[in-house]
Amino acid sequence: NAGVTQTPKFQVLKTGQSMTLQCAQDMNHNSMYWYRQDPGMGLRLIYYSASEGTTDKGEVPNGYNVSRLNKREFSLRLESAAPSQTSVYFCASSATWTESYEQYFGPGTRLTVT
Amino acid sequence: QQQVKQSPQSLIVQKGGISIINCAYENTAFDYFPWYQQFPGKGPALLIAIRPDVSEKKEGRFTISFNKSAKQFSLHIMDSQPGDSATYFCAASGPNSGGGADGLTFGKGTHLIIQP
Repeated sequence: NAGVTQTPKFQVLKTGQSMTLQCAQDMNHNSMYWYRQDPGMGLRLIYYSASEGTTDKGEVPNGYNVSRLNKREFSLRLESAAPSQTSVYFCASSATWTESYEQYFGPGTRLTVT
Repeated sequence: QQQVKQSPQSLIVQKGGISIINCAYENTAFDYFPWYQQFPGKGPALLIAIRPDVSEKKEGRFTISFNKSAKQFSLHIMDSQPGDSATYFCAASGPNSGGGADGLTFGKGTHLIIQP
């Protein structure tokens, strides 16, 4: 039982390049989330998916797109990376958004945009 | 608009002492208040959580105190140990939360150092 896994662990991009961050969970959770963490800012919600087939914007969605590929996988795409997107990205999952809010986090992807 | 305010930003406590971190929230619709612990290079991990129908919850050395009328909640770490040195985040969630539906709205974090 690996929990929440994220790939890659580290990535360096040049401004304007695109990339997709991958996330998978093996806990049969319904809901999945993408957060970014910046120094002194805490974690901020980018997008979330309450269930397979649905996605919704969070606090800071601009510049990102997401895909809930199936119940296990939730990807985050940067179409044209900008230096302001330099951050640590965390994926999380939870059992059900209506009954329990407990979220389990992955190890993170550290992204640098130059 | 910051919906969950956390203080202090950093805290140094002697081994065996009590560590106290405070949070205040604005959205009265929040109905779930977790605390997360994060070690360097790792993702946050749930430490303890409370719902507003109780005023206190204790798990081992960790206690959440909740004051609904003041819209405040705090984390107390009793008998603090060097292994407790980490960054702690309070968070809140619930219907119509500012973090986006049922995502978590986090405080900015407290860097806790326990000196041996």
